[in-house]
Amino acid sequence: EIVVTQSPATLSVSPGERATLSCRASPSVRSNLAWYQQRPGQAPRLLIYGAFTRATGIPARFSGSGSGTEFTLTISSLHSEDFAVYYCQQYDSWPRTFGQGTKVEIK
Amino acid sequence: EVQLVESGGGLIQPGGSLRLSCAASGFTVSSNFMNWVRQAPGKGLEWVSVIYSGGNTYYADSVKGRFTISRDNYKNMLYLQLNSLRAEDTAVYYCGRLAGTYYMDVWGKGTTVTVSS
Repeated sequence: EIVVTQSPATLSVSPGERATLSCRASPSVRSNLAWYQQRPGQAPRLLIYGAFTRATGIPARFSGSGSGTEFTLTISSLHSEDFAVYYCQQYDSWPRTFGQGTKVEIK
Repeated sequence: EVQLVESGGGLIQPGGSLRLSCAASGFTVSSNFMNWVRQAPGKGLEWVSVIYSGGNTYYADSVKGRFTISRDNYKNMLYLQLNSLRAEDTAVYYCGRLAGTYYMDVWGKGTTVTVSS
């Protein structure tokens, strides 16, 4: 089973600032990594797939990078609706595994 | 509009059974890989089960032998039969469509299962 680890657990950021979230996979998942956003009380929604491709309707302030074992989700300028929990997930092999999540909170 | 709507959750005693349903609209369940993911209270996401378009099924070790995924092609529905329920199965259960065999591009809003005496 591929282990996926996210850091930090919580990120405190002011509106308008940049947020950088990390995701590590072991062993390598090539580019088979997705990012999801989960707002309070809502289901997750797909943000990024293939490590860097934005899903339909996702604003350009969200960007993904990385491959292999190290990945990053960057939110260039935080809007109020971006304060949420973010999960990465590998889909390189079964079982699909998620990171434990990073909560982005208002500073 | 592509949509998934889960139902069937509730309060159930340990050892009991429950069947979750997921109604799809805007696409055909049988033409896609479909799966269930759950989220225990205050916790992260855990993949539970998948059914391939060809009908093959796979399960997380934590539910293998107790849960069964299935679909009804005529009703365009996905199901998850939960047997021998344990307290640790308490969670919100989400059904989802996989894009290809890969990531979940469509999620339902979830249905809550609480296992408690």
